[in-house]
Amino acid sequence: QKEVEQDPGPLSVPEGAIVSLNCTYSNSAFQYFMWYRQYSRKGPELLMYTYSSGNKEDGRFTAQVDKSSKYISLFIRDSQPSDSATYLCAMPPSRAGGTSYGKLTFGQGTILTVHP
Amino acid sequence: NAGVTQTPKFRILKIGQSMTLQCTQDMNHNYMYWYRQDPGMGLKLIYYSVGAGITDKGEVPNGYNVSRSTTEDFPLRLELAAPSQTSVYFCASSQTGGSFEQYFGPGTRLTVT
Repeated sequence: QKEVEQDPGPLSVPEGAIVSLNCTYSNSAFQYFMWYRQYSRKGPELLMYTYSSGNKEDGRFTAQVDKSSKYISLFIRDSQPSDSATYLCAMPPSRAGGTSYGKLTFGQGTILTVHP
Repeated sequence: NAGVTQTPKFRILKIGQSMTLQCTQDMNHNYMYWYRQDPGMGLKLIYYSVGAGITDKGEVPNGYNVSRSTTEDFPLRLELAAPSQTSVYFCASSQTGGSFEQYFGPGTRLTVT
């Protein structure tokens, strides 16, 4: 079983739709949960991160973590064509037992297209 | 700040050739990373460095080598290129490790034929 699983899609939605992107993970030691956005032929950039369980909102984006189910989600409200990109979840290893050195574990990425 | 820069943007290699992918950051970050990205596979860590003179293997290091003689530069060396090394390579840096944000370069698209 992979440590982080993400449905690669592709996902195609009309402008204005609510988008739900999801990842599951197997390592219960993960405490930080990140979402990166990657536009075509560009490097990934950090979109949001959350710590432990709960929700975090930033404009049209909401990140949600359910540690009991080992499930994280990214919701995009009122989706725009400019949101078309690949979205990658990522998790650093737990700090317990030593420094993690930022060795992120990435999901496979979900390709999202928002059409006008 | 230019952030993280990578050269070249594209390269085609023949099997058995060698090359060096260049990476430079101007943010004075101690931590630097090399990833490869294959379609539908996410990002896999090749090598990382926590400071000048210190490097270590990531998840998929075979066929690659790195060095870190300065804080700014972290070149990735491919020896005896193989078709399995066809991929997009990303360099990244971060202020420190753990949960801190990694800043990525624009990538190098490499094809080995």
